[in-house]
Amino acid sequence: DIQMTQSPSSLSASVGGRVTITCRASQSISSYLNWYQQKSGKAPKLLIYAASSLQSGVPSRFSGSGSGTDFTLTISSLAPEDFATYYCQQSYSTPYTFGQGTKLEIK
Amino acid sequence: EVQVVESGGGLVQPGGSLRLSCAASGFTFSSYAMSWVRQAPGKGLEWVSLISGSGDTTYHADSVKGRFTISRDNSKNTLYLQMNSLRGEDTAVYYCAKQGGDLLDPWGQGTLVTVSS
Repeated sequence: DIQMTQSPSSLSASVGGRVTITCRASQSISSYLNWYQQKSGKAPKLLIYAASSLQSGVPSRFSGSGSGTDFTLTISSLAPEDFATYYCQQSYSTPYTFGQGTKLEIK
Repeated sequence: EVQVVESGGGLVQPGGSLRLSCAASGFTFSSYAMSWVRQAPGKGLEWVSLISGSGDTTYHADSVKGRFTISRDNSKNTLYLQMNSLRGEDTAVYYCAKQGGDLLDPWGQGTLVTVSS
């Protein structure tokens, strides 16, 4: 199985700030990497697919990059509604494993 | 509007069985694979099972293989997850999601399964 490792596990940032979350795969997954946002008590929501493609309706302050084994999710100017938990997921091969999550909190 | 809605969760004793359902609307159900993903209380996301649009091909995580069975009824636009030999570690919110190619979108609101005596 492909292992997905996110870092950091948690971070604090201020509204208007910039954050980067990293996701590393245990083997190459090309660009088969998705990012999801989950707010407390809610279902996850797709943000980025195929490593860098922005899902329709997602604000442009979200961006993704990377290929192979190393990927990043960047939020360029944090809005209050962005404080949530973020998960990466590989869709290269089953089982479609998720990272352990990164909890983004308000500083 | 594309929508999926789960149902069927509840409290079940260890060793028991439960069947979850997921009603889909707003898209051609038979054209899309579907997945189940679960989340134990306070934990991260765990992909559980996937089924092709036709229902011919299925995949299950090792943690549920031999105990859970994913299926679908395309005439009813409904996805199922039959869960047998349930264990405490199966306690989780179970989400269904439309598998659009390589991505999961949208997700349902989830249904809680609690395995406890």
